[in-house]
Amino acid sequence: AQTVTQSQPEMSVQEAETVTLSCTYDTSESDYYLFWYKQPPSRQMILVIRQEAYKQQNATENRFSVNFQKAAKSFSLKISDSQLGDAAMYFCAYRRDNAGNMLTFGGGTRLMVKP
Amino acid sequence: EAGVAQSPRYKIIEKRQSVAFWCNPISGHATLYWYQQILGQGPKLLIQFQNNGVVDDSQLPKDRFSAERLKGVDSTLKIQPAKLEDSAVYLCASSLESRVGLTDTQYFGPGTRLTVL
Repeated sequence: AQTVTQSQPEMSVQEAETVTLSCTYDTSESDYYLFWYKQPPSRQMILVIRQEAYKQQNATENRFSVNFQKAAKSFSLKISDSQLGDAAMYFCAYRRDNAGNMLTFGGGTRLMVKP
Repeated sequence: EAGVAQSPRYKIIEKRQSVAFWCNPISGHATLYWYQQILGQGPKLLIQFQNNGVVDDSQLPKDRFSAERLKGVDSTLKIQPAKLEDSAVYLCASSLESRVGLTDTQYFGPGTRLTVL
């Protein structure tokens, strides 16, 4: 079974600075997909970024980028120029290829942004 | 475009009572998901529908939980009877389809927070 681990229950960053959230996963599959979701206090999960395992290039979305290390089974999220609105729970998620779109989530990291 | 709608937002019941949650997915989305998110944990998939058929319900406690999506649009999730450990947020999500690609992005609703006393 696949597992996703987020070892940082809480992280804090100063506004306008950069922060990196860690995620590791365990799988025997070679083809899969990885995601970062943001969950603000409103509870609505929002997709931040996705990465296909077959792509060597790291995904980027504006201020958000990932460092995908397939051999190490590591998938970290970097947030640049942090903003107050970035404060939320962040969840790393894994999807096996051709698995009916079932997502396996990590336990989450709470990000606090200090003004 | 309207998002995924869920109701109620909050529900408090006593153990052994029954409760039902409702979800209306984004218009045109064929795939619908119900997740359970216990406080301090990530969401766990309970059941996935493709139109009105069940794709995956392997993690649904079928002795007390049931779900249906009769017309391939709205869905209801029911718990009968509820236990203390069912206290959680129940999230509904939908995607255009489930095949790999941009159309598999899951859009989540605001969830229903259930408290079982």
